[in-house]
Amino acid sequence: DIVMTQSPDSLAVSLGERATINCKSSQSVLYSSTSRNYLAWYQQKPGQPPKLLIYWVSTRQSGVPDRFSGSGSGTDFTLNISSLQAEDVAVYYCQQYLYTPHTFGQGTKLEIK
Amino acid sequence: EVQLVQSGAEVKKPGESLKISCKASGYSFTNYRIGWVRQMSGKGLEWMGIIHPGDSDARYSPSFQGQVTISADKSINTAYLQWSSLKASDSAMYYCARAGNRGDYYLDSWGQGTLVTVSS
Repeated sequence: DIVMTQSPDSLAVSLGERATINCKSSQSVLYSSTSRNYLAWYQQKPGQPPKLLIYWVSTRQSGVPDRFSGSGSGTDFTLNISSLQAEDVAVYYCQQYLYTPHTFGQGTKLEIK
Repeated sequence: EVQLVQSGAEVKKPGESLKISCKASGYSFTNYRIGWVRQMSGKGLEWMGIIHPGDSDARYSPSFQGQVTISADKSINTAYLQWSSLKASDSAMYYCARAGNRGDYYLDSWGQGTLVTVSS
């Protein structure tokens, strides 16, 4: 299985400041035939199902604010929230969907400082 | 509007069988896959497996292979997750989610979750 490792495990950021979450895969999720990285990010708020934020590393799902952005390639990926809002408090997960099983990272808990 | 509506919470005893459901609406059921994800209390997301409702081709995580069965009935736009003999360690929230069909297997719409409690 591909192991997805997120860092940090938890993060406290002041309102309006930038939050950065990292995700590293144990092998590349860049598929040469499509030149695409099979990497998605999800947000889960307490008591709710996860919500897709970003797929193909950097494509925002419809309705996701543009303060959320994704970057990276191969084995190293980043989710950035440019200006943290109170409603962004959640746990964030990365997921690779190139190889079965489509493994998730362990999650990063984002809080307000 | 895409919707996945899961069956209600279950309380079972160890050794009992269980089948939970995920009813899809608002899109062509056989044009997308359905994945299942486990979340134990206070823990992260675990990908269990995925099914193509059109031909019922199912793929499993090795961690769940042989422990659960994923199926689908395209006549009623419903996917299922079942256990033949539950264990206490199967207690968790289970989510179904829609995935694409041509490599775009990210999970873009999620059910509300089904809480399964297994206790003697």
